[in-house]
Amino acid sequence: EVQLVQSGAEVKKPGESLRISCKGSGYSFSSYWIGWVRQTPEKGLEWMGIIYPGDSDTRYSPSFQGQVTMSIDKSIRTAYLQWSSLKASDTAIYYCGRPIGDLDAFEIWGQGTMVTVS
Amino acid sequence: DIQMTQSPSTLSASVGDRVTITCRASQSLSSRLAWYQQKPGQAPKLLIFKASNLEGGVPSRFSGRGSGTEFTLTISSLQPDDSATYYCQQYNFYPPTFGQGTKVEIK
Repeated sequence: EVQLVQSGAEVKKPGESLRISCKGSGYSFSSYWIGWVRQTPEKGLEWMGIIYPGDSDTRYSPSFQGQVTMSIDKSIRTAYLQWSSLKASDTAIYYCGRPIGDLDAFEIWGQGTMVTVS
Repeated sequence: DIQMTQSPSTLSASVGDRVTITCRASQSLSSRLAWYQQKPGQAPKLLIFKASNLEGGVPSRFSGRGSGTEFTLTISSLQPDDSATYYCQQYNFYPPTFGQGTKVEIK
């Protein structure tokens, strides 16, 4: 079964750093992009960016460029989303997903990671 | 960024009703539009890609139409399990953007 499993909920203070993860299984991990989507009640669903595990090619939405960092560890089939200094406005649910291509719909989604910054 | 506007924001319908949700884009998308279903506490689920292609395993009562700037998602016979929020997403331009969602309630 193709699936993405995300790390658990996090509660952090403003200014702290954080890295959340997304582990793929059931498919050739290096051959498919992994993307990240933020969901908040105020702004809804927001596409943050995508990363290609094969060569770590990364494309950020301008809204998130410089605010987060996406990375990959192919050896353990895991994608990461990290912050160096969290803000209260980073409070959200973060989903990883697997698009069919680089600019495409997400056909597989992780279960989501709730991040609370307070 | 491309603006995606869904209507209505909420709709209430009875089991068996035909339901249509509209999504309008601020620029032409060709057919690069997807529809997702999200239930409370769950991740979005892909229903339709390329405007009218049904994702595997999705019931045939769901259908999508449209091209350019106007798209629709239709549920031909609403079922209790269809109670959810539905989102459109364009992926013709970077960055991909989502509509604000349409909440479908069962009367």
